[in-house]
Amino acid sequence: AQSVTQLGSHVSVSEGALVLLRCNYSSSVPPYLFWYVQYPNQGLQLLLKYTSAATLVKGINGFEAEFKKSETSFHLTKPSAHMSDAAEYFCAVIAPGSGYALNFGKGTSLLVTP
Amino acid sequence: NAGVTQTPKFQVLKTGQSMTLQCAQDMNHEYMSWYRQDPGMGLRLIHYSVGAGITDQGEVPNGYNVSRSTTEDFPLRLLSAAPSQTSVYFCASSSLGQGYSEAFFGQGTRLTVV
Repeated sequence: AQSVTQLGSHVSVSEGALVLLRCNYSSSVPPYLFWYVQYPNQGLQLLLKYTSAATLVKGINGFEAEFKKSETSFHLTKPSAHMSDAAEYFCAVIAPGSGYALNFGKGTSLLVTP
Repeated sequence: NAGVTQTPKFQVLKTGQSMTLQCAQDMNHEYMSWYRQDPGMGLRLIHYSVGAGITDQGEVPNGYNVSRSTTEDFPLRLLSAAPSQTSVYFCASSSLGQGYSEAFFGQGTRLTVV
């Protein structure tokens, strides 16, 4: 099964600093990759997705991610963190033909300090 | 659009009781799925459906049943609740037409089994 690994269950950054959340995937075929965000006591909201078009994907709220096949990575970045970015972030993958199930990483909790 | 609606939002069950978690979507999506979210585990797939009358098991199906009699509805049944089923449950839907679209999630059902 296709899977993802998120490095770091907790990441803390200062307001205005660079946000970098890491995600590596295992896949023998070109995957579909996603980043979702979950605010406290809410459902998941799509930040961005990679579907084999441009390798640099721009999402909502200033986030972007770069697909690097050679590194099997799909790291999420944002140049300047806001307090409102504090949330849980999930990387997810599917492979066409897998039943379209999403396999999620275990999540990274982002803390933004003043 | 209401999107994906889950009911109830909160539920407390006694061990051995049964119940049904409701999920409805109004986007005419073919694909629907149920996940459970546990701390440090990310989201794990319970069951999914690629269309009315078709269901299949995910990663953690034991203790749960599903059916898909209409495109809109995908209820999840707990047959005999156990404390290990204490979790937050999310329903999601997506479109399979012209490739995979993003998954839209409900707000979740927080279930406690005592």
